[in-house]
Amino acid sequence: EAGVTQFPSHSVIEKGQTVTLRCDPISGHDNLYWYRRVMGKEIKFLLHFVKESKQDESGMPNNRFLAERTGGTYSTLKVQPAELEDSGVYFCASSYYRGNTEAFFGQGTRLTVV
Amino acid sequence: AQSVSQHNHHVILSEAASLELGCNYSYGGTVNLFWYVQYPGQHLQLLLKYFSGDPLVKGIKGFEAEFIKSKFSFNLRKPSVQWSDTAEYFCAVNARSGGGADGLTFGKGTHLIIQP
Repeated sequence: EAGVTQFPSHSVIEKGQTVTLRCDPISGHDNLYWYRRVMGKEIKFLLHFVKESKQDESGMPNNRFLAERTGGTYSTLKVQPAELEDSGVYFCASSYYRGNTEAFFGQGTRLTVV
Repeated sequence: AQSVSQHNHHVILSEAASLELGCNYSYGGTVNLFWYVQYPGQHLQLLLKYFSGDPLVKGIKGFEAEFIKSKFSFNLRKPSVQWSDTAEYFCAVNARSGGGADGLTFGKGTHLIIQP
């Protein structure tokens, strides 16, 4: 069974450009989460989808970040325009159930804004 | 708001030494507790979790953790570490309230290095 897959694995962009990260969850997992780890800091929750609906987006930093999950399958996270402080590793996770269940993580996308 | 504190950022041990990584959380309600591990070059994976029942939980690869409610702690232990345990370890919590936020709150992580 395929795990959570994220594309690209690395991305280097200039300040002001746009970047789109993609996450393919495990098939059948309705719950999809985005997290971010800025260097030296903890992994922080960004948002949670249940199927195609945003259940919780309380962790989204600002309106330069837009997450979508069309059809309840894969998800994209767009940063537009990117700023230097957006650099970090973006993780996606998926789970079948909510709450006390295991979330399966992807390898992450390392975003560097220069 | 929830917060998680991991006491040690870097830990270096020799093989066969015993391990205890501290984790304390702050939250006014009931939580689910997790330890995740990230081996070099790999994705985060679950070591163990606690949400109810016996406060001593056993996970994969010989790890265990004890939930002490009065201390808001969920320390990770292993009696004898191996070189392959070299990794970064994360303590995490989420709120147990039904319909509430499921997103995990992580600690800053502990880099564990096991010397052969």
